[in-house]
Amino acid sequence: GAGVSQSPSNKVTEKGKDVELRCDPISGHTALYWYRQSLGQGLEFLIYFQGNSAPDKSGLPSDRFSAERTGGSVSTLTIQRTQQEDSAVYLCASSLEYNQPQHFGDGTRLSIL
Amino acid sequence: AQKITQTQPGMFVQEKEAVTLDCTYDTSDPSYGLFWYKQPSSGEMIFLIYQGSYDQQNATEGRYSLNFQKARKSANLVISASQLGDSAMYFCAMREGNTGGFKTIFGAGTRLFVKA
Repeated sequence: GAGVSQSPSNKVTEKGKDVELRCDPISGHTALYWYRQSLGQGLEFLIYFQGNSAPDKSGLPSDRFSAERTGGSVSTLTIQRTQQEDSAVYLCASSLEYNQPQHFGDGTRLSIL
Repeated sequence: AQKITQTQPGMFVQEKEAVTLDCTYDTSDPSYGLFWYKQPSSGEMIFLIYQGSYDQQNATEGRYSLNFQKARKSANLVISASQLGDSAMYFCAMREGNTGGFKTIFGAGTRLFVKA
């Protein structure tokens, strides 16, 4: 069956540009997470969607970051006015329910020049 | 305050020996879950094992077992009979209940090197 799909797999852009990262979770999974992983580091929580509840945005590092999840399925993470420190791998994960193991996508490697 | 602490940035183990990767956590929520994930050099995150806070027995999955000591708030991962393919980053994670908003937080990880 299909796993979590993220696109693009790689994104190179200039400082100051806006970027959109997409995540297609596993069908039927109610929970969706975004994480950021810098080189050699752990996973930094960004945002969490659970069903129709208001998302937990407590991990977003600044107001340049936003995310939405349409129809309880696909999610888009948007970074406005990108900075060099935004360079990282952005990982999306989904789980059947909040207390179930997460299934991760392959990530989007974002490089800001 | 760190909610998940992995104190071993790197570990070495001889092939076929057992190794314990440490994880301590901090929560006041009575309902929580603990997870371990493996991240090989290829980058994908692989779920290994889960322990619920109310589970009476330690979780086991094949060569993986979780040494859950609730009073000490520790959830160490034990890998028995290490294999070369076990070389990877290992992350401990905690999902809190209501007080933590149900989100999952990851530790900084431990890089395991298995020697032939």
